[in-house]
Amino acid sequence: AQKVTQAQTEISVVEKEDVTLDCVYETRDTTYYLFWYKQPPSGELVFLIRRNSFDEQNEISGRYSWNFQKSTSSFNFTITASQVVDSAVYFCALSEARTGTASKLTFGTGTRLQVTL
Amino acid sequence: DGGITQSPKYLFRKEGQNVTLSCEQNLNHDAMYWYRQDPGQGLRLIYYSQIVNDFQKGDIAEGYSVSREKKESFPLTVTSAQKNPTAFYLCASSIGYASTEAFFGQGTRLTVV
Repeated sequence: AQKVTQAQTEISVVEKEDVTLDCVYETRDTTYYLFWYKQPPSGELVFLIRRNSFDEQNEISGRYSWNFQKSTSSFNFTITASQVVDSAVYFCALSEARTGTASKLTFGTGTRLQVTL
Repeated sequence: DGGITQSPKYLFRKEGQNVTLSCEQNLNHDAMYWYRQDPGQGLRLIYYSQIVNDFQKGDIAEGYSVSREKKESFPLTVTSAQKNPTAFYLCASSIGYASTEAFFGQGTRLTVV
């Protein structure tokens, strides 16, 4: 069975601080996909990034960066120079990669990020 | 604008009544999903559908039913058999492959009194 663990329930930072959100996953599949979603107060989930299990190249996109390490089954997300608008709940998710199947996601419990002035 | 529309945003029902949540998408996506979110918990999959007239149970399907008569629509019925129906329900859609991201609606908050 697949499992995603986000051990940080809530993080509070002051604006302009860097913050890293942790994600650890478990799966028996050799091919899988990892996602980060953001849930602002409005409720909908907003897709941020996708990584497949064969692509361990880390990425930077603006103030966001991701660190995928297969050896430790971790897929951490960092926001540099945080802003108040970054305040939201962030979810890490995992999907199986079987041909023809839909994108059934297994979610972590989320990390609530509060950025204050 | 392309997207997923869930209605209503807030829904109140008396215990023992069935209630249907609406989900419509105009993204031409083949796959649609229903997730349930409880406070402090992640999203859990209720049902999903990969094509019209076909759907599969997710991890917590008991007490729920769905239909997929049209590609654009995937309504969820919360039946009286669902023991704890009060929750936030999110509908999503995707192209249909595991590698692709899902797009989510704004959710329906159901309160049963």
